[in-house]
Amino acid sequence: DVKVTQSSRYLVKRTGEKVFLECVQDMDHENMFWYRQDPGLGLRLIYFSYDVKMKEKGDIPEGYSVSREKKERFSLILESASTNQTSMYLCASSFGEPGNTIYFGEGSWLTVV
Amino acid sequence: GNSVTQMEGPVTLSEEAFLTINCTYTATGYPSLFWYVQYPGEGLQLLLKATKADDKGSNKGFEATYRKETTSFHLEKGSVQVSDSAVYFCALSDRGGGFKTIFGAGTRLFVKA
Repeated sequence: DVKVTQSSRYLVKRTGEKVFLECVQDMDHENMFWYRQDPGLGLRLIYFSYDVKMKEKGDIPEGYSVSREKKERFSLILESASTNQTSMYLCASSFGEPGNTIYFGEGSWLTVV
Repeated sequence: GNSVTQMEGPVTLSEEAFLTINCTYTATGYPSLFWYVQYPGEGLQLLLKATKADDKGSNKGFEATYRKETTSFHLEKGSVQVSDSAVYFCALSDRGGGFKTIFGAGTRLFVKA
């Protein structure tokens, strides 16, 4: 089975802190994604990566950056956390071309106070 | 651009009732269509998919048929169980959209015993 592991399930951070959310997948998938999930808004794509050291902006990249130094690992960085970034963050991965199934991690609940 | 619209929830049903969750889409190309399910406290997982017109995806008693003429992919189940209580997301992906998968806002289903 594909496994996407997010390092932290629950985090509480202070406004202005730098926050790292880590994600690792074990199926050698080329594509990795970071989504944000908010009630009534569904999932919104923050950033994605289709290869090591490659990254593309999604629909809501402002206030976030990403890093992909190894194929299996994709990190989401909040440079200076703000209260409006309180949300559920979902990491995901997929193989090959668009249209293939996306596999999700369990999510990281981030609260910024 | 591509978009997905699904019925608002929550939907509350009694056990063994018939379920329909409506989903319509807008796409410039020929998308693949998906239903993902999110059980409480978990990430999303693929429920079923269809890759071309008139295809029927099915899994765990759920079905959805890709209707190009009505641009719809409605989710149905003949007899729901309490364990089906979850949030259901309709989604689409096509080559024209690159690696982006577009998700609907999600529909929460409650099934009462």
